[in-house]
Amino acid sequence: QVQLKESGPGLVQPSQTLSLTCTVSGFSLTSYNVHWVRQPPGKGLEWMGRMRYNGDTSYNSALKSRLSISRDTSKNQVFLKMNSLQTDDTGTYYCTRDYLFDYWGQGVMVTVSS
Amino acid sequence: DIVMTQGALPNPVPSGESASITCQSSKSLLHSNGKTYLNWYLQRPGQSPQLLIYWMSTRASGVSDRFSGSGSGTDFTLKISSVEAEDVGVYYCQQFLEYPRTFGAGTKLELK
Repeated sequence: QVQLKESGPGLVQPSQTLSLTCTVSGFSLTSYNVHWVRQPPGKGLEWMGRMRYNGDTSYNSALKSRLSISRDTSKNQVFLKMNSLQTDDTGTYYCTRDYLFDYWGQGVMVTVSS
Repeated sequence: DIVMTQGALPNPVPSGESASITCQSSKSLLHSNGKTYLNWYLQRPGQSPQLLIYWMSTRASGVSDRFSGSGSGTDFTLKISSVEAEDVGVYYCQQFLEYPRTFGAGTKLELK
């Protein structure tokens, strides 16, 4: 069955770089897009960026200067890297599939704090 | 960016009553292919969002027929008939016509 699972550090210091991994199963990264979406505590959803099935990427312009998305198809993994973290980057980070966002990971909570 | 604006619910909603959530987009989501690029999601407390409705009115697999979506190019409604305890959470509309994908701020449903 289709599954996505995010992993990464729960705590990141301000100004440091966040690195997250989305490991997928039940589908191929060369057939489906994978997106990253984040959610500050108690707030709404923000689309961050996308890894297309062909390897192309798109980013939210508000984050573009700090954000990079890549993948390793042999490991069924999509990676997110975001630098210069600040406290308002605290939240839950999700990966989700395809243009419908039909499957979501459980999310990983990231706290930016010293 | 396309701005999505959601309406509020008169919470709490009595169990068994119907509830309608509105969503408005700043640009028409009706494509020349005849499809409307609007999704609805439910995020239950402590859970990830789940897809309820896509293409404005098509229920996702496994979603109860108590949920229905309707609308025009810029004004949309999610209707929940006979609200149940499992419907509690925050509902989000989202456009997927353009990048960046944008969501409404969410509409909370509480049960009486």
